[in-house]
Amino acid sequence: EVQLVESGGGLVQPGRSLRLSCAASGFTFDDYAMHWVRQAPGKGLEWVSGISWNSGSIGYADSVKGRFTISRDNAKNSLYLQMNSLRAEDTALYYCAKDIKGRIAVASYDHWGQGTLVTVSS
Amino acid sequence: QSVLTQPPSASGTPGQRVTISCSGSSSNIGSNTVNWYQQLPGTAPKLLIYSNNQRPSGVPDRFSGSKSGTSASLAISGLQSEDEADYYCAAWDDSLNGPLFGGGTKLTVL
Repeated sequence: EVQLVESGGGLVQPGRSLRLSCAASGFTFDDYAMHWVRQAPGKGLEWVSGISWNSGSIGYADSVKGRFTISRDNAKNSLYLQMNSLRAEDTALYYCAKDIKGRIAVASYDHWGQGTLVTVSS
Repeated sequence: QSVLTQPPSASGTPGQRVTISCSGSSSNIGSNTVNWYQQLPGTAPKLLIYSNNQRPSGVPDRFSGSKSGTSASLAISGLQSEDEADYYCAAWDDSLNGPLFGGGTKLTVL
């Protein structure tokens, strides 16, 4: 059974940093691209970042480019999101999502975690 | 500006067939495949349709997808109360070099 378990969320002040993690199990992690997708309270889905199976291709939404860094450790079956210079508008539930392919240039995510909540507030 | 446009709401009665539209442009739907997600209240999204019209295993054949030009549609036949959820379309956008989600459609089963 595929499982994606996010962690690392919490309350943080504007301008500070946070690192999210996603522990994956139940599939061959290094075969698939992985993504972070967020959902602000009461709002829709927004793709944040994606990374290909071998980290060779990485993408970011314009809203987080230059502030967030995605990475993966295939030996540990883990995905990460380093979030710096956090803003109030980054407040959201952050989901880890598995792609159906190894590359990131599709928008097909067949498994999602339950999300970790990030709240940016003073 | 690259956007995928969905109606904010849709409704139907049990047993009815409803469709949800998703309108895009040449840089997204016009040149890439469309995916649909279902998000039940308080839960994570679930992939409902990928590659325009393919259903992942376990998704009932009541759900179907189609695409024409720069628009796509999700059809739900034999509507059931458990279909009440938010539905999102998504497609890669070549101009943004990233995926786009539609704004979501809240489906109410009357």
